[in-house]
Amino acid sequence: EPEVTQTPSHQVTQMGQEVILRCVPISNHLYFYWYRQILGQKVEFLVSFYNNEISEKSEIFDDQFSVERPDGSNFTLKIRSTKLEDSAMYFCASSEVSGATEAFFGQGTRLTVV
Amino acid sequence: AQSVSQHNHHVILSEAASLELGCNYSYGGTVNLFWYVQYPGQHLQLLLKYFSGDPLVKGIKGFEAEFIKSKFSFNLRKPSVQWSDTAEYFCAVSTRSSNTGKLIFGQGTTLQVKP
Repeated sequence: EPEVTQTPSHQVTQMGQEVILRCVPISNHLYFYWYRQILGQKVEFLVSFYNNEISEKSEIFDDQFSVERPDGSNFTLKIRSTKLEDSAMYFCASSEVSGATEAFFGQGTRLTVV
Repeated sequence: AQSVSQHNHHVILSEAASLELGCNYSYGGTVNLFWYVQYPGQHLQLLLKYFSGDPLVKGIKGFEAEFIKSKFSFNLRKPSVQWSDTAEYFCAVSTRSSNTGKLIFGQGTTLQVKP
């Protein structure tokens, strides 16, 4: 069964450093998403991406965040200068069609900012 | 703003007990509804979904959910839980007016099934 894969599974970084979280969505999917879950809190939407551009972003997704689909397979989330409060589990997801079908999620990357 | 609330944060059941997890959403328009499950150490997996039609939907592993529009609810049920159902369960909503398909999640319910 096709799946969304994320790397790394766990990333530890120092405050102020840049991190790039990587995702390989399912190959025929067109919509891509990043969500995050701070420990003990809800899974929160960060950004959606379609046709090589951001289609929607949340208030959390400020100028420190960026997304990119650098080639035909990868989808990345970059945090330019990490803060302690960026520590969370980050989930990538993809879907064939927005909303009308389910989103498939990766296993997540646990980001720890120290 | 749209929101989803799950009434139970932590549920402990014995095997063979019946399960019902509550989920309510706030949004006046048409929605798509989902229940996802996350087993320990694994990714979020879809249990079931509702887009339209019969409000009683059946999912994998014997789970079902009922959409009650008048109550803005989409409760998850299973008549007899197993130890392997121990996991975290998330209710989620996407709105038909959003063309991005973003999901709004509830806070999750941790289910612990005792053998």
